[in-house]
Amino acid sequence: AQKVTQAQTEISVVEKEDVTLDCVYETRDTTYYLFWYKQPPSGELVFLIRRNSFDEQNEISGRYSWNFQKSTSSFNFTITASQVVDSAVYFCALSERLFGNEKLTFGTGTRLTIIP
Amino acid sequence: DSGVTQTPKHLITATGQRVTLRCSPRSGDLSVYWYQQSLDQGLQFLIQYYNGEERAKGNILERFSAQQFPDLHSELNLSSLELGDSALYFCASSVVGGSNEQYFGPGTRLTVT
Repeated sequence: AQKVTQAQTEISVVEKEDVTLDCVYETRDTTYYLFWYKQPPSGELVFLIRRNSFDEQNEISGRYSWNFQKSTSSFNFTITASQVVDSAVYFCALSERLFGNEKLTFGTGTRLTIIP
Repeated sequence: DSGVTQTPKHLITATGQRVTLRCSPRSGDLSVYWYQQSLDQGLQFLIQYYNGEERAKGNILERFSAQQFPDLHSELNLSSLELGDSALYFCASSVVGGSNEQYFGPGTRLTVT
């Protein structure tokens, strides 16, 4: 069975600091997909990134970067020079490529608070 | 704006009642997913439809049912409501299946009193 663990329940940092959100996953499949979503205080879920299991290249998008390491089953998310607008709950999710089982399995989320 | 719409935004109802939540996927998306977000259970997958057919089922209660119509919009029906059904219900859509990113609607907040 697939599982996603986000051990950090809450993190608070001062604005402009860098912060890394951890995500560890478990799956039996060799082909799978990893995602990060952001849930701001308004409540909607915003897609941030998707990576497949064959692409271990790190990705950078502006102040956001993602580090995928298959050897440790981790897909960590770093925000550089954090801003107050980054305050939200961040979810890591996993999808296995199994016909008839295409759900997203979410972690429990990390609540990030950026202190001005 | 993800392009996925959900109505209503808020719903308050009493125990034992039945409600219907509605979702319209992004234009071109064939898959629709329903998720429940509650404080104790987190974000949980309920059910997926693909082009009108049920594709995958999660921890969906027997009191809950869903369908996807020919115009691809979907409805989630919740009946014999209990206090524990109070939650945020999200609909998401994707082009094909779980390997594609799912775009979420704004959610329907259900409160059962």
